[in-house]
Amino acid sequence: AQSVAQPEDQVNVAEGNPLTVKCTYSVSGNPYLFWYVQYPNRGLQFLLKYITGDNLVKGSYGFEAEFNKSQTSFHLKKPSALVSDSALYFCAVRDGNTDKLIFGTGTRLQVFP
Amino acid sequence: KAGVTQTPRYLIKTRGQQVTLSCSPISGHRSVSWYQQTPGQGLQFLFEYFSETQRNKGNFPGRFSGRQFSNSRSEMNVSTLELGDSALYLCASSFGPTDPNTEAFFGQGTRLTVV
Repeated sequence: AQSVAQPEDQVNVAEGNPLTVKCTYSVSGNPYLFWYVQYPNRGLQFLLKYITGDNLVKGSYGFEAEFNKSQTSFHLKKPSALVSDSALYFCAVRDGNTDKLIFGTGTRLQVFP
Repeated sequence: KAGVTQTPRYLIKTRGQQVTLSCSPISGHRSVSWYQQTPGQGLQFLFEYFSETQRNKGNFPGRFSGRQFSNSRSEMNVSTLELGDSALYLCASSFGPTDPNTEAFFGQGTRLTVV
């Protein structure tokens, strides 16, 4: 069965420092991987996706993600964090057979001034 | 283009009542999925509709049901509401299984409070 894991409930980082939010996945077949961000009382906003091709994927708001097949990871990164990046981040994998999006448990990112 | 629209944004219902939530997907999208989000359980998949047919169903009791209309708009219904049904209900739209590499777009959600 397809699954994703986000091992950290919360990540704290100082503004201006690089940030990483971790995600590992388990899929059979080609992985369709996504990152979403959620601000308080809002829906999820799409950040970026990996389908095939370059292992470094660039997305919205300066975020990027590194796909690593051997480590089955898809970590979200940003070179310089902003206070406004503070939010809940979800990693997701699409089940290629059912089209269902399977989400991780979410990681709360807190960026301190 | 217009995004995914969920109505209403907020609802307060009493235990035992029923509720209907609505979702209008992005124009051209034929797949609509519903999720329940609670602080304790995270994002839980409810069901997915494509071309008016339920393709997938999550592990929720029969009190939770849904449907999709010919214009791809979807509704979900919860009958005999329980306190534990209080949650943010999110709808997502996408092109569907013919385009698995395209992202799903989410609505703002409906915040349901059961008292």
